[in-house]
Amino acid sequence: AQKVTQAQTEISVVEKEDVTLDCVYETRDTTYYLFWYKQPPSGELVFLIRRNSFDEQNEISGRYSWNFQKSTSSFNFTITASQVVDSAVYFCALTGPGNTGKLIFGQGTTLQVKP
Amino acid sequence: DTEVTQTPKHLVMGMTNKKSLKCEQHMGHRAMYWYKQKAKKPPELMFVYSYEKLSINESVPSRFSPECPNSSLLNLHLHALQPEDSALYLCASSQDYRGPGSPLHFGNGTRLTVT
Repeated sequence: AQKVTQAQTEISVVEKEDVTLDCVYETRDTTYYLFWYKQPPSGELVFLIRRNSFDEQNEISGRYSWNFQKSTSSFNFTITASQVVDSAVYFCALTGPGNTGKLIFGQGTTLQVKP
Repeated sequence: DTEVTQTPKHLVMGMTNKKSLKCEQHMGHRAMYWYKQKAKKPPELMFVYSYEKLSINESVPSRFSPECPNSSLLNLHLHALQPEDSALYLCASSQDYRGPGSPLHFGNGTRLTVT
């Protein structure tokens, strides 16, 4: 069965610190996609990144980087030099059974960045 | 700016009222979704429309009635709701429900309070 685990419920850091959000997944599909979404207090879920199961290259986008490791079924997200605007709930998600658009979300990690 | 527009942003309704939530996208996406999100929880899928046909109903009570008038619009008709239905209702769209992991684009949501 599909499952996504975000073990960190809440993380609090001081501005400019680096922070890593963990995501571990389970799936029986050989082809699947993983996503990270950001949900600021305004409520909208903002798409950050998609990674398919055949591409294990790490990705960097500005202060954001993602580490996908199939061997450990993990897709971790690092924010470098965090800023107050990074404060939000971050969700890791996995495509549903049969690689459909029915996303399986983790429970989310609330990140608070203090000035 | 979000490319998925939801109205209204806030809605307060009594248990005997009938109201509708509206969602619009102009990205040419052929799959549209309704999600429900309770506080401090991940979004839960309610309905999926694929090419204007209802593809998925996640055993949602009949007091929630979705409608997809055309490929750009998605409505959620509400009738005889209960206080426990109070939540953030999120609309999303993607290129295809069974596509290669096309990311979901979410709207800002409608914060619904049932009194």
